[in-house]
Amino acid sequence: NAGVTQTPKFRILKIGQSMTLQCTQDMNHNYMYWYRQDPGMGLKLIYYSVGAGITDKGEVPNGYNVSRSTTEDFPLRLELAAPSQTSVYFCASRQIIRGIDYGYTFGSGTRLTVV
Amino acid sequence: AQSVTQLGSHVSVSEGALVLLRCNYSSSVPPYLFWYVQYPNQGLQLLLKYTSAATLVKGINGFEAEFKKSETSFHLTKPSAHMSDAAEYFCAVTGFGNEKLTFGTGTRLTIIP
Repeated sequence: NAGVTQTPKFRILKIGQSMTLQCTQDMNHNYMYWYRQDPGMGLKLIYYSVGAGITDKGEVPNGYNVSRSTTEDFPLRLELAAPSQTSVYFCASRQIIRGIDYGYTFGSGTRLTVV
Repeated sequence: AQSVTQLGSHVSVSEGALVLLRCNYSSSVPPYLFWYVQYPNQGLQLLLKYTSAATLVKGINGFEAEFKKSETSFHLTKPSAHMSDAAEYFCAVTGFGNEKLTFGTGTRLTIIP
């Protein structure tokens, strides 16, 4: 049972390059989330999805895009990388069934450096 | 709207001493509250959660937290600190029907031998 899998674990990008952070879950969870973690700032929500085909902005969506074509996958796209996007990125999934919240499962993170 | 305030970005305690990490929340709906732990270079691991059942919640590794509505608090405690408890701890809040989990800024716990 893999849970939430994020790839890659580490990446160095040059300013202006683009990349996709992959996130996949095998628990059939309906909700998925992308957070970024910066020192002393906690985790900030970038984008989230309540189901396939549905996405919405979080607190800090600028510079990012997402898609949710399947229940399992929720990739995060950086189109023009900037140094301000240097961070650790966490993907999470969550299951709510008939009003019961079964909680969040987090991936192990992707450490991105933009130089 | 929901928010979490963690008092003290760094806390140091001696091995064997009481651990107390503070969390106060603000929520417009009945809250669900969580404590997560993050060890260096790792992801977040759930310690415990409050979802409107018992107000005293026991978690993994000997941690517990008490939900106090009158104080809007959900402080994390452990009677006796162990070296392996050194990590960063995050309090988080959501609510029934709320799609988002809001995190505090974290408290880094250091254990003094």
